[in-house]
Amino acid sequence: EPEVTQTPSHQVTQMGQEVILRCVPISNHLYFYWYRQILGQKVEFLVSFYNNEISEKSEIFDDQFSVERPDGSNFTLKIRSTKLEDSAMYFCASIGGGVVDEQFFGPGTRLTVL
Amino acid sequence: KQEVTQIPAALSVPEGENLVLNCSFTDSAIYNLQWFRQDPGKGLTSLLLIQSSQREQTSGRLNASLDKSSGRSTLYIAASQPGDSATYLCAVKSNFNKFYFGSGTKLNVKP
Repeated sequence: EPEVTQTPSHQVTQMGQEVILRCVPISNHLYFYWYRQILGQKVEFLVSFYNNEISEKSEIFDDQFSVERPDGSNFTLKIRSTKLEDSAMYFCASIGGGVVDEQFFGPGTRLTVL
Repeated sequence: KQEVTQIPAALSVPEGENLVLNCSFTDSAIYNLQWFRQDPGKGLTSLLLIQSSQREQTSGRLNASLDKSSGRSTLYIAASQPGDSATYLCAVKSNFNKFYFGSGTKLNVKP
């Protein structure tokens, strides 16, 4: 069964460093998303991406964040200068774009900023 | 801004019980509502998706209902099993491409 994959599963970085989180959405899906979940808190929407551009973003998604779909399969989230408060699980999700727009999530990347 | 609330925050039941999880949302202008299951340290597994025009969806022992006008959805789990222990999340799709999640109900089914 097709699934969303994410790499790495765990990333440890120093404050101020840049990180890139990678996702491979389900093949032929059209809509892509990034979410974060700080330990013990809600899953929070960060950004949605369609047709090679951002369609919606939250107030969390400031200039430190960027997303890219560099080829036909990968979808990346870059954090330019990490802060301690960026420590969280980051989830990627995709939707096929048909009549039934069910979201499928990846297993997540745990980001730890020291 | 859409606010999604889930009650109760935690629930502990003996195996075999039928149970109901609640999700409420403040803005009834939603496109759909999706229920997920999250196991500790894991991603989200989709359980049921209800479109805004639908009243309910069923999958196996799970039944989800939607009352858009009152801003409520319920997830009914029949004959609960220890393997159902997890956190259950609801999420609403409000704008074209934006989703809002509740805080979840942590379910523990005791053998």
